[in-house]
Amino acid sequence: GEDVEQSLFLSVREGDSSVINCTYTDSSSTYLYWYKQEPGAGLQLLTYIFSNMDMKQDQRLTVLLNKKDKHLSLRIADTQTGDSAIYFCAERANTGGFKTIFGAGTRLFVKA
Amino acid sequence: EAGVVQSPRYKIIEKKQPVAFWCNPISGHNTLYWYRQNLGQGPELLIRYENEEAVDDSQLPKDRFSAERLKGVDSTLKIQPAELGDSAVYLCASSLEGDNQPQHFGDGTRLSIL
Repeated sequence: GEDVEQSLFLSVREGDSSVINCTYTDSSSTYLYWYKQEPGAGLQLLTYIFSNMDMKQDQRLTVLLNKKDKHLSLRIADTQTGDSAIYFCAERANTGGFKTIFGAGTRLFVKA
Repeated sequence: EAGVVQSPRYKIIEKKQPVAFWCNPISGHNTLYWYRQNLGQGPELLIRYENEEAVDDSQLPKDRFSAERLKGVDSTLKIQPAELGDSAVYLCASSLEGDNQPQHFGDGTRLSIL
């Protein structure tokens, strides 16, 4: 079945780069997403990448996709305290009717 | 553009009581999703609508959960009777129709069962 795994915590200093990693199992995934969730709020779409792409850059965000290893990463450059949140990786899998499967989330702590 | 609106934000009830959640999706979004998010977990799909039709309700516990989207816009999710294990955040999301359309989430309803 489909599964998305992420490390639970990441702590960085303000100004450093953050790299959040994710692995997924469904090789038929069409789109892979990164969402951000702040306390008491819903998920906010940050960026997404189509499965035939290797990289996508959007301002401070860089997404890298290694389809062979089924590995996705999100790099946040110049991390700010406002970036502290939970980051969810998700895959849009063809299996089971284009269901979106979410990981458990990586909690990013940014120290001033 | 107004986002996905959910109400109430918080709900506290005793077990075995009924509860209902309401969702107003983004205008023009044909697809609507209900998710449950347990503490420390990612969202898990309960049901997906395309307009009025529930196209995926395979993960909805149908013995106690029900949902409707009568006019293809607003939706309600109901639990009757609620159990202790139903405590979670219930998220609604909507998207334009199509496999590549990203989902936009509401802020959720946090349900606590006493």
